[in-house]
Parts: sequence; C-alpha cells; structure tokens
Amino acid sequence: DTVMTQTPLFLSVTPGQPASISCKSTQSLLHSDGKTYVFWYVQKAGQPPQLLIHELSNRFSGVPDRFTGSGSGTDFTLKISRVEADDAGVYYCMQSIQLPYSFGQGTKLEIK
Amino acid sequence: QVQLQQWGAGLVKPSETLSLTCAVYDGSSSDYYITWIRQPPGKGLEWIGEIHHAGSTNYNPSLKSRLVISVDMSKNEFSLNLNSVTAADTALYYCARNNSRGIFDVWGQGTMVTVSS
Repeated sequence: DTVMTQTPLFLSVTPGQPASISCKSTQSLLHSDGKTYVFWYVQKAGQPPQLLIHELSNRFSGVPDRFTGSGSGTDFTLKISRVEADDAGVYYCMQSIQLPYSFGQGTKLEIK
Repeated sequence: QVQLQQWGAGLVKPSETLSLTCAVYDGSSSDYYITWIRQPPGKGLEWIGEIHHAGSTNYNPSLKSRLVISVDMSKNEFSLNLNSVTAADTALYYCARNNSRGIFDVWGQGTMVTVSS
C-alpha cells in the first residue's frame, strides 16, 4: 500500500501570512497517462472534507488562487499564499494512483 | 445539483453488521463511483471501498473479508455492509461521489456509527 506522510501535523499562522504543508508518498504518484494522482482536501469543523486541489495542481471549482499545489514524483506541497480566518481546518493529502486510496495523517491549520 | 443523503443505524453491537445507505439525488450522469470513507473519532480518513453505478467494486484489503458494497440502480441507492464489527469500527462514515479517480466532489453529511454492547 502507498503511505502518505504529511508534515507538519500542526500549523499556527497569522492571517495574511503564508502557509505550507508537505506530503510525501512511498511510491511515485506519476501515472503513465502523464497525470500525478495527488489530491488535497480540507476538513473544516463539523463538515465533510472538501476538495481543494486535484491531480497535483488543479484547483477545484470555486477554490481561490491563494491555494497552490505543486511537486513531483513522491514529494508534494500545498501552499496558501495569504492565510485567511476561513482557512482553519485539517488538510489532507491523498493518493489515487493505487488501490487502496490512502490519505496523509492530516495537518491542522490554526489561525492565530 | 447532485446531493448525497446517507442514513443507517448509529449504534451497532459487537459481532453484528453495520449497514449504511447513501442515496444520490439529481444525478444526470451515472458514470461515477460512490466511495465510502470513514474517520474514527479524533483521527484521520480511511478509504473503505467503492462501487460503480454499473456494479463493479473495489475494496480496501484490510476490510475486504467483512465488507459488501452494493447498489440498487432502481432507487439510485448505494449500500455498505460491514459484518463482525468491533469497537475499532466506531467512526464517522461518509459516502462521496468519485467523479474521476479521486475527485470526491460531492459528499454525504456523514453518519456516526458506534460499536458498543
């Protein structure tokens, strides 16, 4: 199984400042079709997760351009350019190149 | 706009079967998987398995021996049955539409299931 490891597990950021979350996978997420099957989800308090980034760097509908996904192979990053109060939540990376799909442990983002 | 509504028993006794249903409303397309994901209290997300509208399934090997995911196409309802449950199966269970290999774009509201005698 592919293991996804996130760092840090907790992040406390002042509004207006940037934030960055790292995710590493135990195997390459680059598929032969050219796509990289890494996703980023955020789970806000009391809600189901919601999709932010799909296939490495594509923002889902309605996601602001403050959110950027990047990386390659086994190393990935989610960056928030300027954190806002509404960004608080737990951020998960996920891989879908191999079944079973698997998630990182989650990174809790606290807004100071 | 597609909506997922889920329901099922919130309390299940050890060794019995956990049963949940997820109904898809207002879906014009049928080319998607419905995925089940769970989250133990205070913990992260675990992919349980998925079923295509046409009936093909994929299961997490860690649960495969106890798991059945099925679909009633006449009702657009997708079901999860997990037998021989233990306290370790206590979790918030979600269904989600897998629109394309990991794009979980629509989610159910979640059902908290507690395994306890």
